[in-house]
Amino acid sequence: GQQLNQSPQSMFIQEGEDVSMNCTSSSIFNTWLWYKQDPGEGPVLLIALYKAGELTSNGRLTAQFGITRKDSFLNISASIPSDVGIYFCAGFTPISQGGSEKLVFGKGTKLTVNP
Amino acid sequence: DAMVIQNPRYQVTQFGKPVTLSCSQTLNHNVMYWYQQKSSQAPKLLFHYYDKDFNNEADTPDNFQSRRPNTSFCFLDIRSPGLGDAAMYLCATSREGDTQYFGPGTRLTVL
Repeated sequence: GQQLNQSPQSMFIQEGEDVSMNCTSSSIFNTWLWYKQDPGEGPVLLIALYKAGELTSNGRLTAQFGITRKDSFLNISASIPSDVGIYFCAGFTPISQGGSEKLVFGKGTKLTVNP
Repeated sequence: DAMVIQNPRYQVTQFGKPVTLSCSQTLNHNVMYWYQQKSSQAPKLLFHYYDKDFNNEADTPDNFQSRRPNTSFCFLDIRSPGLGDAAMYLCATSREGDTQYFGPGTRLTVL
């Protein structure tokens, strides 16, 4: 099925470093989401983006919805050990806007933070 | 405050023995989803309910069934679990056209 191209696949960084990951798609989405998943838990929503060009922050996290609606990035500043986990991007377009309502996921970015 | 609740968190069953996983939500969302997630992979949609309307994904095996008796509850039934069905099962909810919120998942082990 359809999938987003998410990179990098994994990252090993030192505590305090900044992190950047991105997703691209061949299709347009009207909403982009970023989730974080800890081992043995469900994905937790970090940031939702609803408008092309939108830049949104949530604490140390910043995400942008690409102007073409085919890409998004997530930045984490000053990483800490609890940032460890798998980060998934996901796109969807609501039925009311001509889409299917279903999430299309990236393959995830596994982040390791060394103290 | 728990919003999407899944029970049990861990389920062990035997090969071929039916199992039911449950999901409840306090968000009053009209859409509920069931996903299967295997190790190091993204969640894979099995089916979803849009209000009472059931929507099955084309590649979801017949072994998987679902029930939604009311807005708050949704169940995943696996009629004859095989070893390949061992996975994390995630429930998610959304208001139509809006963001999906996931539960903590149920880890299914098949012996």
